[in-house]
Amino acid sequence: ETGVTQSPTHLIKTRGQQVTLRCSSQSGHNTVSWYQQALGQGPQFIFQYYREEENGRGNFPPRFSGLQFPNYSSELNVNALELDDSALYLCASSLAANTEAFFGQGTRLTVV
Amino acid sequence: ILNVEQSPQSLHVQEGDSTNFTCSFPSSNFYALHWYRWETAKSPEALFVMTLNGDEKKKGRISATLNTKEGYSYLYIKGSQPEDSATYLCAPQTGANNLFFGTGTRLTVIP
Repeated sequence: ETGVTQSPTHLIKTRGQQVTLRCSSQSGHNTVSWYQQALGQGPQFIFQYYREEENGRGNFPPRFSGLQFPNYSSELNVNALELDDSALYLCASSLAANTEAFFGQGTRLTVV
Repeated sequence: ILNVEQSPQSLHVQEGDSTNFTCSFPSSNFYALHWYRWETAKSPEALFVMTLNGDEKKKGRISATLNTKEGYSYLYIKGSQPEDSATYLCAPQTGANNLFFGTGTRLTVIP
């Protein structure tokens, strides 16, 4: 198992609510990326943080936002939840751009 | 958004058989190609990161080749074992930060 941990593992939210997902990166990794995996699809890139700054963003609306802290842990915040936000959210940490990324086990979000 | 295609979508093989999967991607703006192995209820596990055209990587019974000019990569498993059962994902990388995952090939190895 990798050193990347995500919390919570599962949660259920109501449409319109806000949610915060957390990720602790592998020791020494300064880059964290977040992905959304909807049913039947591959993971889709949401955004990446490098040394506390956003370093690239995928095709997701502004209600998806994030933070990275000085210890390189990260949060993904989603406002005004929609039913289609139901998915597995994965975070991955890496040391450099084209090196392997280490994934957490994900947070399963269900929006009802 | 990149159009990444993996084939087949799923396959079943007998223990001991060798098998291979394909990952196709647009060859422009290529930076690197990642292969991941994802077992049910576990985290995706990195297998290879490949950057050079013609590159070939090997880890035990698993190997991969890369053709960046025509935009494809093959993953080979020699002598499949039940523990190889997983979904295999490829992810081309077009810049410093963005992996575009395919939908994966789901492999089941029958004992």
